[in-house]
Amino acid sequence: EVQLVESGGGSVQPGGSLRLSCGASGFTFSSFWMSWVRQAPGKGLEWVANIKQDGSEKYYVVSVKGRFTISRDNAKKSVYLQMNSLRAEDTAVYYCARDGEPFDCWGQGTLVTVSS
Amino acid sequence: QSVLTQPPSVSAAPGQKVTISCSGSSSNIGNRYVSWYQQLPGTAPKLLIYENNKRPSGIPDRFSGSKSGTSATLGITGLQTGDEADYYCGTWDNSLSAGVFGGGTKLTVL
Repeated sequence: EVQLVESGGGSVQPGGSLRLSCGASGFTFSSFWMSWVRQAPGKGLEWVANIKQDGSEKYYVVSVKGRFTISRDNAKKSVYLQMNSLRAEDTAVYYCARDGEPFDCWGQGTLVTVSS
Repeated sequence: QSVLTQPPSVSAAPGQKVTISCSGSSSNIGNRYVSWYQQLPGTAPKLLIYENNKRPSGIPDRFSGSKSGTSATLGITGLQTGDEADYYCGTWDNSLSAGVFGGGTKLTVL
């Protein structure tokens, strides 16, 4: 069974940092792009970033460029999102998704709350 | 505002049919595949339609997708109360080099 499990969410003050992790199982992780998608409370889906199979290409939504970094470890079948200089508007549930264009598998999400 | 435009809400009676539109541009829908996602209350999104009109295994044929030019449409027939959810279209935008979603459409089955 294809499965994605996120972790690392929590509460942080504005300007702080957080690192999200997503562990994959049930498929050949190294064969797929991976994405992070977020959803602010009561709002719609927003794509955040993705990373190529070997990590050689990465793309970001404009609002997080320079603050967030996506990475992966194929040996550990995991993808990460390092989030720095967090802002209140980054508060959201963050989903990890297998990015086969489309996003054909999603994790359950992890909540990030940025508040003083 | 979202790059892709969807109606905020649609409604119909059980057993009826509904369509949800998704409008974009030549940099996204016009030159890329469109996918659709269903998000039931309190759950993660689930892939419903990919490559404009294909259904993953397990998705009933009551759900269909189409694309014409820079717009796409999701159709749902034989509506059930269990179909009440938020529906999102999504694709890649070549100009932005970013994934993009519609703002989402809330389906109410009256």
